[in-house]
Amino acid sequence: GAGVSQTPSNKVTEKGKYVELRCDPISGHTALYWYRQSLGQGPEFLIYFQGTGAADDSGLPNDRFFAVRPEGSVSTLKIQRTERGDSAVYLCASSQDPGSTDTQYFGPGTRLTVL
Amino acid sequence: QKEVEQDPGPLSVPEGAIVSLNCTYSNSAFQYFMWYRQYSRKGPELLMYTYSSGNKEDGRFTAQVDKSSKYISLFIRDSQPSDSATYLCAMYAGGTSYGKLTFGQGTILTVHP
Repeated sequence: GAGVSQTPSNKVTEKGKYVELRCDPISGHTALYWYRQSLGQGPEFLIYFQGTGAADDSGLPNDRFFAVRPEGSVSTLKIQRTERGDSAVYLCASSQDPGSTDTQYFGPGTRLTVL
Repeated sequence: QKEVEQDPGPLSVPEGAIVSLNCTYSNSAFQYFMWYRQYSRKGPELLMYTYSSGNKEDGRFTAQVDKSSKYISLFIRDSQPSDSATYLCAMYAGGTSYGKLTFGQGTILTVHP
């Protein structure tokens, strides 16, 4: 079946602009995660959804970052007043159930460049 | 100091070599340990998963976890050019931190024919 998809694959924006990044998880997966991967680094956790609610948003760097998952499927990561330091690959992952043995399946990421 | 430390390499080996990749960590709460492989411009894909200490083998891949030393390893036997990728270790504590993976920096591996 289809994997996790993310759109757009690339996004170039100017400093101060607002951006939205979309994630379509694998159908039926209740858990959804956002990570950020800077150049030459491993992914860093941002936020975790169980169903529609954000169960853990401790990784969001500041209040310019916000994510929603209104119907428990598609999620949108929103970044206000973008800064050059926000440039990174934003990865989305989903899992069937947030159990301890559950595998997270990652999408290809959205490469965000803030000029 | 980061919770998970991984030598970024890069590591270059000839085809057929045995590759050893390692991570150390500082958080003794970590119980679940994973290795992901990431090709250029792609998302990470899970290679190996281990709970607590011990060894796990899957084909050419062997994962080892030593919780007493806070040290994990991935061995690749008979390495192939198709193994060229970035290898990421990842771990989490379980319990209320379900799914919150902490990654190492990643090691870039090149296997040349």
